[in-house]
Amino acid sequence: ELKVEQNPLFLSMQEGKNYTIYCNYSTTSDRLYWYRQDPGKSLESLFVLLSNGAVKQEGRLMASLDTKARLSTLHITAAVHDLSATYFCAVDPNNTDKLIFGTGTRLQVFP
Amino acid sequence: KAGVTQTPRYLIKTRGQQVTLSCSPISGHRSVSWYQQTPGQGLQFLFEYFSETQRNKGNFPGRFSGRQFSNSRSEMNVSTLELGDSALYLCASKVGQGGEKLFFGSGTQLSVL
Repeated sequence: ELKVEQNPLFLSMQEGKNYTIYCNYSTTSDRLYWYRQDPGKSLESLFVLLSNGAVKQEGRLMASLDTKARLSTLHITAAVHDLSATYFCAVDPNNTDKLIFGTGTRLQVFP
Repeated sequence: KAGVTQTPRYLIKTRGQQVTLSCSPISGHRSVSWYQQTPGQGLQFLFEYFSETQRNKGNFPGRFSGRQFSNSRSEMNVSTLELGDSALYLCASKVGQGGEKLFFGSGTQLSVL
């Protein structure tokens, strides 16, 4: 059974600090997605990673993909309160647009 | 450009009833997917439609069905509702096939009593 695991599940961090969220998946996938969800809201697409070694950055967030290790990371630089949300990774192992989502990482940034 | 629109936003039903949820994708988007989100199971894929054809289906019982119309609008139907069907149902759309960004709607929160 395909598993997509994120860690940590919950992250409380101080403003200005750096941290990394990890997404491991159990089968090969060339496509990996990162989404953000605010409480009571829908999902917002952050990054689409489509090849081994892909790296994308926007603002304080940077995502990377290592398909050989079946690992993606979402790195947060100098966190601010506005980044508080739940972050999901998702894989598409058969390139069929059927996304398998991770458990989610709930991020809380405090002053 | 308008985003993905889902109606209704909230719905309360009783066990045994059926329900139909509606999704209007972003103009020009031909692919529509449906996901169920619950605290226990997380986000799970239901099905995906492209140009009125179901291309993929998740591991849900036959009580869950859907369709897509020629204008790309999609509906999802759940018959004989069970308590466990209580969830946030999210619709997402994108232009075509392949690794593209999915745009999600605000969802329909279904409560089954």
